[in-house]
Amino acid sequence: QSALTQPASVSASPGQSITISCIGTSSDVGSYNLVSWYQQHPGKAPKLMIYEGSKRPSGISNRFSASKSGNTASLTISGLQPEDEADYYCCSYAGSNTYVFGTGTKVTVL
Amino acid sequence: EVQLVQSGAEVKKPGESLKISCQGSGYTFTTYWIGWVRQMPGKGPEWMGIIYPGDSDTRYNPSFQGQVTLSADKSISTAFLQWSSLKASDTAMYYCARPGSSLSSFDFWGQGTLVTVSS
Repeated sequence: QSALTQPASVSASPGQSITISCIGTSSDVGSYNLVSWYQQHPGKAPKLMIYEGSKRPSGISNRFSASKSGNTASLTISGLQPEDEADYYCCSYAGSNTYVFGTGTKVTVL
Repeated sequence: EVQLVQSGAEVKKPGESLKISCQGSGYTFTTYWIGWVRQMPGKGPEWMGIIYPGDSDTRYNPSFQGQVTLSADKSISTAFLQWSSLKASDTAMYYCARPGSSLSSFDFWGQGTLVTVSS
């Protein structure tokens, strides 16, 4: 199980949009539409932002959206706000109740 | 309200054993899997394994197989992660996390248990 590949960092100004990629393989991202995305602020536990590829849990802003194409999943944050500055991780189901996380992306709001 | 409450921070020496806990409440403990996630300082989360408290069915990340043991006690709605011989490289924050019924994501997380292994 190798970690899913994410860009180390992404930055943008408030109000702009960013997209974070998450590259897996045909054994994980490519096989299941079960990618989830997590936001983690320093010293806090990860927080679920997207599940089942593109669904938002109750209470998560519609500024967060996600999609998948082949072995690559993507998270888009539109209308970037200062509170969006955090680390973001993707995670894919990999079959037989196993999972693999991404390497993580630090989002900086300039 | 679903809650996962983990045991407190631990400081141990290399070679010592350790068992940390995660108590679930606000849902039927025996009908949801509970996973464990390691996060080393400054690094991303790593999925370690998952256990179904109903029958103790367990799956491990091959990287952690043989290094840790997952268990659960239904009578006290608590899952456990244990080491028989800690190493300095086990120093990390450990989270328990509960998937939803579709198993597609970790919907609820514990607050984390910081384990420090140092001589």
